Amino acid sequence: QKEVEQNSGPLSVPEGAIASLNCTYSDRVSQSFFWYRQYSGKSPELIMSIYSNGDKEDGRFTAQLNKASQYVSLLIRDSQPSDSATYLCAVNFYGNKLVFGAGTILRVKS
Amino acid sequence: EPEVTQTPSHQVTQMGQEVILRCVPISNHLYFYWYRQILGQKVEFLVSFYNNEISEKSEIFDDQFSVERPDGSNFTLKIRSTKLEDSAMYFCASSDHYEQYFGPGTRLTVT
Repeated sequence: QKEVEQNSGPLSVPEGAIASLNCTYSDRVSQSFFWYRQYSGKSPELIMSIYSNGDKEDGRFTAQLNKASQYVSLLIRDSQPSDSATYLCAVNFYGNKLVFGAGTILRVKS
Repeated sequence: EPEVTQTPSHQVTQMGQEVILRCVPISNHLYFYWYRQILGQKVEFLVSFYNNEISEKSEIFDDQFSVERPDGSNFTLKIRSTKLEDSAMYFCASSDHYEQYFGPGTRLTVT
């Protein structure tokens, strides 16, 4: 059984701080990793993808992947109240199927 | 920016009835998916579709479910005899390779 684990939170950070979200997964052969943002009652919105070890930056977002330790993280710099949402980690273990974690609720307080 | 669209946004049906959920994937994408999310739970994979056939399906996707690409733009999910436990948000997604983009979802309520 392929598993993706996330701390459910909520993670509360003040406006302007760095939010750090973490995710672990069960299978070392996984190749593709994704972060989605989901506002309440809405669909998942792709914000980052990462395929190789190291960091990948896109604007205020940085995804970090460590395949040896089987974890992937998402850093959000200069957090804004509009970043308040549930962040879903998704892993492609094989084929094109995504396995999602339960998500981490992020609250950014102004 | 191209996006996945889904209709209807909300469908209410009685137990035992058939429903068809419709999706228009992003036009140049070749891979199509259905996921569902029961309220308060994880997003769960149902089925993937490529080259006019199912490429993978989950244990949830049993004989009551079917998918079809009836024309060059639409992708549908049919549930033949709905059950109370089918009540969920159903998301269509599409990709050209790895990155999957989700539609806004159809909320299915089975009474």
